[in-house]
Amino acid sequence: GQNIDQPTEMTATEGAIVQINCTYQTSGFNGLFWYQQHAGEAPTFLSYNVLDGLEEKGRFSSFLSRSKGYSYLLLKELQMKDSASYLCAVSNFNKFYFGSGTKLNVKP
Amino acid sequence: GAGVSQSPRYKVTKRGQDVALRCDPISGHVSLYWYRQALGQGPEFLTYFNYEAQQDKSGLPNDRFSAERPEGSISTLTIQRTEQRDSAMYRCASSSSGERETQYFGPGTRLLVL
Repeated sequence: GQNIDQPTEMTATEGAIVQINCTYQTSGFNGLFWYQQHAGEAPTFLSYNVLDGLEEKGRFSSFLSRSKGYSYLLLKELQMKDSASYLCAVSNFNKFYFGSGTKLNVKP
Repeated sequence: GAGVSQSPRYKVTKRGQDVALRCDPISGHVSLYWYRQALGQGPEFLTYFNYEAQQDKSGLPNDRFSAERPEGSISTLTIQRTEQRDSAMYRCASSSSGERETQYFGPGTRLLVL
């Protein structure tokens, strides 16, 4: 089976840095995606990793270790608008397996 | 169009009725995916198409669920003889091609079966 684990909820302070972890066990792997989903809205793409290492995109960075089945999303200089759910998804032969998402609460 | 659109946005139906959910992907996108998302959960894969060909339908819960994309653009997800457990948000996503491309999600159809 496919298993993707993320913490259910996290809280952080505006201006701080937060790291959201994702571990996965899947029968195949063709890439890992991070999506942001605000309440009541559609998921929107944040990042994609297929090779090991860190991908940086503005305030957001994503890291992948394929040997460990591990990824994290790093959010810097947190803003109130970053309060949302963050979804980790693994692609495997054109099927996408999503984690349950991590709800991030940003407090002033 | 500018993005993925879905209709209807909300659907309330009685148990036993058939429903058809429509997805209009981003123009030119080859791949189209259907997901079901329960509250507080991530999207659950149902099926996907490349052009008009249904490549994988292993995520469809049972044979009451079917999908088509006859001309390689608009897709319809049909649920026959709806049951209360079918109540969920049904989301469509499209990508330019394949599994390494970003998926763009539609606003979803909220289905409520009474």
